[in-house]
Amino acid sequence: QSALTQPRSVSGSPGQSATISCTGTSSDVGGYSYVSWYQQHPGNAPKLIIYFVNKRPSGVPDRFSGSKSGNTASLTISGLQTEDEADYYCYSYTGTNTVVFGGGTKLTVL
Amino acid sequence: QVQLQESGPGLVKPSEPLSLTCTVSTDSFNSYYWSWIRQPPGRGLEWIGFVYHSGTTWYTPSLEGRVTISLDTSKKQLSLRLRSVTAADTAVYYCAKSLMIAGWSYNYYGLDVWGPGTTVTVS
Repeated sequence: QSALTQPRSVSGSPGQSATISCTGTSSDVGGYSYVSWYQQHPGNAPKLIIYFVNKRPSGVPDRFSGSKSGNTASLTISGLQTEDEADYYCYSYTGTNTVVFGGGTKLTVL
Repeated sequence: QVQLQESGPGLVKPSEPLSLTCTVSTDSFNSYYWSWIRQPPGRGLEWIGFVYHSGTTWYTPSLEGRVTISLDTSKKQLSLRLRSVTAADTAVYYCAKSLMIAGWSYNYYGLDVWGPGTTVTVS
């Protein structure tokens, strides 16, 4: 059960957009609509920001959006703000009641 | 508002077992799946396993055989036991709750409430 593949780092300027990809296989990301995304600031626990590929929990700004095409899920953050600088992790069901995280992406807001 | 709090020894000797407890404040303890996740220093998140109130458990294949997750529903606690630890088990350990949508909660829905984490060093 390998970790899902994410870019190590992504950057963007305030006000711009940034997209983080999460690539798996047809046995995980491509096979189910159970992909979620987490934001983690240094020293803090992760926070759920997207579930079911593209749903936002209450309280999460609509600047955060999710999508999926084939075996790759994506998180897009529009109108980047300095507080968006954090690590982001994807998470997917892999069947047989197991799940897997992506390797994580560090977002830098320049 | 569900709250979780991990507890346990911060230092464990190599080859000894690691035991952690997560205490949950909720009136709906039996409605959710409960999970353990860990994060080695400077590295990413690793899912360890789930437990449901029935006692059914699921584990990541890489730790199967060395890990046990259990519940004490009367105390609203979940526990993690990891045997024969090595330095590679040094990490921040988190417990987390599965998301509930439309009255249903499954372990793969996502994890919407997390504890603050507890650091365990194997040395």
